[in-house]
Amino acid sequence: QVLLQESGPGLVKPSEALSLTCSVSGGSIDRTTYYWGWIRQPPGKGLEWIGGIYYSGRSHYNPSFESRVTIAVDTSKNQFSLNLNSVTAADTAVYFCARYFGFDPIDVWGQGTTVTVSS
Amino acid sequence: QPVLTQSSSASASLGSSVKLICTLNSGYSNHIIAWHQQQPGKAPRYLMKVEGSGRYSGAPARFSGSSSGADRHLTISNLQSDDEAVYYCETWDSNARVFGGGTKLTVL
Repeated sequence: QVLLQESGPGLVKPSEALSLTCSVSGGSIDRTTYYWGWIRQPPGKGLEWIGGIYYSGRSHYNPSFESRVTIAVDTSKNQFSLNLNSVTAADTAVYFCARYFGFDPIDVWGQGTTVTVSS
Repeated sequence: QPVLTQSSSASASLGSSVKLICTLNSGYSNHIIAWHQQQPGKAPRYLMKVEGSGRYSGAPARFSGSSSGADRHLTISNLQSDDEAVYYCETWDSNARVFGGGTKLTVL
């Protein structure tokens, strides 16, 4: 059973970069043909897909974030990461990592990590 | 790009059944969708996927799916207090994943 666990700072200053890591256990990130993605949920609001990365390194992003987001995979650590630049208070949210096939649903979710953007 | 529309809230009595609806926009009426459940303070949980034909798969007990045109349904039978949650639908194309706004289900 694959489990995902997010980690990273809970507080980020405005204009700085938000960096999170998702650790994958119960399976190897580079031996399966899945995408590994990030979704966020602002307080009291719905889910918003940020982007995802294929095990080979190919990535795709929500156009709303494309200019300031990078998702990368580190197969040696069985992790993938999210970097979101130039954050504002509007980026305050719970950030979830997740797994999905290219044309199938998200089938595994991390438990989520809360990030607050504030000075 | 696909767009999903959901009612913001629904309610039903303990032990009864409820049907939630997720509607695809024009041009995407054959798309597969998925349903996810998010209980208060928890991460979402994948429930099932529902095809345009009405076939569904992966559903836990008491949960089922169906389709009618651009509408995708989630039916929960024998409602329990634990079913009180927000239910999101999800779909995708080659470039993006999208979610509906979620339906908050209250169990009376």
